[in-house]
Amino acid sequence: DIQMTQSPSSLSASVGDRVTITCRASQSITNYLNWYQQKPGKAPKLLIYGASSLQVGVPSRFSGSGSGTGFTLTISSVQPEDSATYYCQQSYSAYTFGQGTKLEIK
Amino acid sequence: EVQLLESGGDLVQPGGSLRLSCAASGFTFSSYAMSWVRQAPGKGLQWVSGISGSGGGTHYADSVKGRFTISRDDSKNTLFLQMNSLSAEDTAVYYCAKGSYSSLSRNWFDPWGQGTLVTVSS
Repeated sequence: DIQMTQSPSSLSASVGDRVTITCRASQSITNYLNWYQQKPGKAPKLLIYGASSLQVGVPSRFSGSGSGTGFTLTISSVQPEDSATYYCQQSYSAYTFGQGTKLEIK
Repeated sequence: EVQLLESGGDLVQPGGSLRLSCAASGFTFSSYAMSWVRQAPGKGLQWVSGISGSGGGTHYADSVKGRFTISRDDSKNTLFLQMNSLSAEDTAVYYCAKGSYSSLSRNWFDPWGQGTLVTVSS
């Protein structure tokens, strides 16, 4: 099974900060990497698919990059509504999620 | 607008069974793979099972293989998850999610339903 490891597990940022979340796969998954945002009590929402494609309707401050085993989700200028937990997911072989990164806005 | 609405979650005793449903609308249901993903209280996301658009292919996480069965009724635009031999470790919110393709593999999930809570306890 492919394991996904996110870092950090949590972070705190101020409005306007640039935030980067890292996701590492235990083996190459080429670009089969997706990112989701989940707010408390809500279902996850797709942000990025195929490592770098922005889902329709998602603000352009979100971006994704990477291939192989290393990937990043970047929020260029964090907003208060970005407070949430972020998950990466590999879809190369079945589906596995990272453990999540909780983003707090100061 | 694509919508997914889960139902069937309940409190069930260990060893018991439960059947979850997910009613879909706003898209051609038969053309897309569907998945179930669960989230234990305070924990992360775990993919449980998926079914192809044709219904001919299914796949399960090792933790539920042999106990859970995924199925779909394309005439009713409904996805199901039959859960047997439930244990406390199955306690979670169960989400259904629409895949991006008809095939079972390499999908992204969008959108997700609001979830239904399954509690396994005596």
